[in-house]
Amino acid sequence: GAGVSQSPSNKVTEKGKDVELRCDPISGHTALYWYRQRLGQGLEFLIYFQGNSAPDKSGLPSDRFSAERTGESVSTLTIQRTQQEDSAVYLCASSLDLFADRLNTEAFFGQGTRLTVV
Amino acid sequence: GDSVTQMEGPVTLSEEAFLTINCTYTATGYPSLFWYVQYPGEGLQLLLKATKADDKGSNKGFEATYRKETTSFHLEKGSVQVSDSAVYFCALTRGGYSSASKIIFGSGTRLSIRP
Repeated sequence: GAGVSQSPSNKVTEKGKDVELRCDPISGHTALYWYRQRLGQGLEFLIYFQGNSAPDKSGLPSDRFSAERTGESVSTLTIQRTQQEDSAVYLCASSLDLFADRLNTEAFFGQGTRLTVV
Repeated sequence: GDSVTQMEGPVTLSEEAFLTINCTYTATGYPSLFWYVQYPGEGLQLLLKATKADDKGSNKGFEATYRKETTSFHLEKGSVQVSDSAVYFCALTRGGYSSASKIIFGSGTRLSIRP
C-alpha cells in the first residue's frame, strides 16, 4: 500500500480481555517498529523488527505484551489480560533496511490504534 | 545508552516570531538525526533529517544543522505561522543490524502559535 496501515483505528475493551493490534508496513520496508504514546506524552519504544526477527524487544512493558511479524510484512502486537494503564495510542512505523542504506532511514508512521481499556 | 534530550514545552509564540527548539543527543558513532512533527489529530511525520556532521536538513521553512562538536540538532524557523502549531520530536537512529537500530525519540515539544 501507499503508507503504513494500522487496524483497528479505535479499540475499546474490557479490563482483563486480550487485544490484537495489526500493522501493515510499506511494501519493501524490512524494519518495523512499535511505539506507545500515552495521552500528552512522548513515544515509548516497545519492539523493533528487522525482517521477522526482533533484535530489540527491550521496551515491552511486561510479559502480557508480545509481537510477531510474518516475513517482511504484517506485524501483530498482542496484549493479554489488558489493564487500564495499557490505554494509549499504539503506533507502528516502518523503514528501509537500516543496514543497507543509512541515508534513507526515516520511519513512516501509521495513524495508530487508540486503545481504551475500561 | 543512546538518548535524546529536547526542550520542554509548551512553547507559545506569536505569529512571525523566530523559533528555536533545542535538541541534544548522546550516542556513540555517527547517528542519523531527525525531526518529526505531529499536527493535531494527525499521525507522526518526518519534518527533516541529517545523516552526517555539518549536514543541514530543511523543509517547510524549518532548518536544523547536525553539530557533532556540541552533539546538537536544534530546530529553527525564522517566521512561524499558526499552521506550525504541533508537537515536535527530535530523534536519532544508528544504521546497522544491532540492538541500537531502534529510533530513539525525545519527549516532544508542544508548540502553539498565536495569531
